[in-house]
Amino acid sequence: QSVLTQPPSVSEAPRQRVTISCSGSSSNIGNNAVNWYQQLPGKAPKLLIYYDDLLPSGVSDRFSGSKSGTSASLAISGLQSEDEADYYCAAWDDSLKGVVFGGGTKLTVL
Amino acid sequence: QVQLQESGPGLVKPSQTLSLSCVVSGGSIRSGSHYWTWIRQSAGKGLEWIGRIYSSGSTNYNPSLKSRVTISVDTSKNQFSLKLSSVTAADTAVYYCASGVFGAIYYFDNWGQGTLVTVSS
Repeated sequence: QSVLTQPPSVSEAPRQRVTISCSGSSSNIGNNAVNWYQQLPGKAPKLLIYYDDLLPSGVSDRFSGSKSGTSASLAISGLQSEDEADYYCAAWDDSLKGVVFGGGTKLTVL
Repeated sequence: QVQLQESGPGLVKPSQTLSLSCVVSGGSIRSGSHYWTWIRQSAGKGLEWIGRIYSSGSTNYNPSLKSRVTISVDTSKNQFSLKLSSVTAADTAVYYCASGVFGAIYYFDNWGQGTLVTVSS
C-alpha cells in the first residue's frame, strides 16, 4: 500500500487530454513539493515535473502539473501513443523523513 | 548532464548481503549539488526510496529498511554504494541509483538504467 494514492490505470484516445491524480496528506503533499516521473516500458523512470508544476528542459509542454492542498494532478494534453507509460508522483514525507511514491498509474492511449 | 551506472551481482542468496555500486560520470560526487540516492522497484510494483547520501557522508534511510541499509560514498572513485543485509525474496527488485537535487526541493533529475537483483538460493 503506497503512501500516495494514484489510480492504477487511465485511458484516453489520441489527441485528447487526460489527468492523473495523486492524493496524500499534510505530512507529504500538503507541506512539500510534488514531483512526477514517467517510466516508459522497460526503461528507468525519468523526471517529468518538479516542484509541483515546473517542466525540466526537454520535456514537452503537453505535460503540466498542479497541486491543491493534499492532492496533486498531472495533465497530459494532445495524447500521443508515445505517452503510454507508467506515471509516478512523489513527495518528501515529514513524518517518515523520506521520499514517498504513489503506486503508479498506467496510461493507455486507445 | 550527470550519468549514473549501477553494477553488482545479479543473484544473492537469502540471508546474505546485497552490495551494489553506482559510478557517477559527467560531474563530481563532491560537488555538493546532489544527494546520491538509491531507489528500488519490485516486479510489477511501484517505486520505493531506499535512502540517500550527501558528499559530506550524511545519510538518510527509509525507516522500513533502516536497520539493514548502509549507503556509503567513495569520492576517489566518484561512486557511491548500497549494502542491504539479511536479504529475503522480498528484496528481489530492480535497483536504481539516482541523483537527487540538493536544495529546497529534492527530486531525482538523473537515473541509472537499473540493475536486477534476485534473491534466491
